[in-house]
Amino acid sequence: DTGVSQDPRHKITKRGQNVTFRCDPISEHNRLYWYRQTLGQGPEFLTYFQNEAQLEKSRLLSDRFSAERPKGSFSTLEIQRTEQGDSAMYLCASSLTTSGSRNEQFFGPGTRLTVL
Amino acid sequence: DAKTTQPPSMDCAEGRAANLPCNHSTISGNEYVYWYRQIHSQGPQYIIHGLKNNETNEMASLIITEDRKSSTLILPHATLRDTAVYYCIVRVNFGNEKLTFGTGTRLTIIP
Repeated sequence: DTGVSQDPRHKITKRGQNVTFRCDPISEHNRLYWYRQTLGQGPEFLTYFQNEAQLEKSRLLSDRFSAERPKGSFSTLEIQRTEQGDSAMYLCASSLTTSGSRNEQFFGPGTRLTVL
Repeated sequence: DAKTTQPPSMDCAEGRAANLPCNHSTISGNEYVYWYRQIHSQGPQYIIHGLKNNETNEMASLIITEDRKSSTLILPHATLRDTAVYYCIVRVNFGNEKLTFGTGTRLTIIP
């Protein structure tokens, strides 16, 4: 399968613990995005990378959240000192931006986080 | 990015055309209309996009009004697999990379 993959698919943790999610984009896609989705809502943008550079961060991304994309390939999203309000689906997407492209984002299946 | 308004839910009989409306009255001249859908427990999936002309691909057709203040996504022959939440998004293409999702329209295809 050559789509976007995310690991783990589900994570249950206790409040105060740290968690890390991984996203593997489609090979050669230069842009990678993280979104968060809570029940009944559409996904909300968190941050995006072009290659290894983090170019935009939402104000939703508090200082407990950090994202990296070393070497411009896979990305990790870490949440420190988790809170119950962090419970959500975390979605990763990637895209290849070329001149005249439709700039389509391809989404992974998401990581569902439950904070007890 | 401009805000969109969609009905929260719609039903459509299997085999019939599903017409999903979207209002985007504050759309700017350089903003495109994008449609994505999200099937239960999956990530969103791109369907189609357009600027001002009507567009058609293998999944759907997109009709944009002449004043660009509204659009309609048409699934010509809906199947049970089309049951999903459909999001209408307006955004510039290049320069503003994030997708701003609303709450979308929950489309249920009825056998």
